[in-house]
Amino acid sequence: AQTVTQSQPEMSVQEAETVTLSCTYDTSENNYYLFWYKQPPSRQMILVIRQEAYKQQNATENRFSVNFQKAAKSFSLKISDSQLGDTAMYFCAFMEGYGGSQGNLIFGKGTKLSVKP
Amino acid sequence: DAMVIQNPRYQVTQFGKPVTLSCSQTLNHNVMYWYQQKSSQAPKLLFHYYDKDFNNEADTPDNFQSRRPNTSFCFLDIRSPGLGDAAMYLCATRASSTDTQYFGPGTRLTVL
Repeated sequence: AQTVTQSQPEMSVQEAETVTLSCTYDTSENNYYLFWYKQPPSRQMILVIRQEAYKQQNATENRFSVNFQKAAKSFSLKISDSQLGDTAMYFCAFMEGYGGSQGNLIFGKGTKLSVKP
Repeated sequence: DAMVIQNPRYQVTQFGKPVTLSCSQTLNHNVMYWYQQKSSQAPKLLFHYYDKDFNNEADTPDNFQSRRPNTSFCFLDIRSPGLGDAAMYLCATRASSTDTQYFGPGTRLTVL
């Protein structure tokens, strides 16, 4: 069974600095997707960034980027120029295959990130 | 804007009193999910619909049921809520041709 591990329950960073959140996963599949979701205190889950396993190039979305190491089964999230609005719970998630009729997400336990002024 | 809507945002019920939570979407996605999220925990998938096909997770209690009368709406019915069912319930949707789930704001259920 697939598992997702986030080893940092809580982290904090100063505004404008860079922070990296860790995520590792375990799967025997070769085709899958990885996601980082953000859940601010208001509790709406928002997609931050996604990575397709067959793509070697790391995904980037503005200040957010990932370091995807397929062989090591590692998928870390880097947040550059941290902003107060980045304060949230961050969940790493795994989806096997190409979605279709299943497309179920397996979540890690989350990392609570606090951005301090 | 196309979105996933959950009503109500806050629901209080009494122990053992049936309750229904609602989810609607304007995204026209054919897959809809219900998750339970307890405080400071990851969301846990309860079940999902692929079109009209219902898929229950093996460890979802029988106390939880779902209905999807049409593409836009999906309901979560808790037949006899217990204190342990107090949680945030998240609805999510996905187009089956894609990989990304879109979440609603959630309904926080309190059981007295």
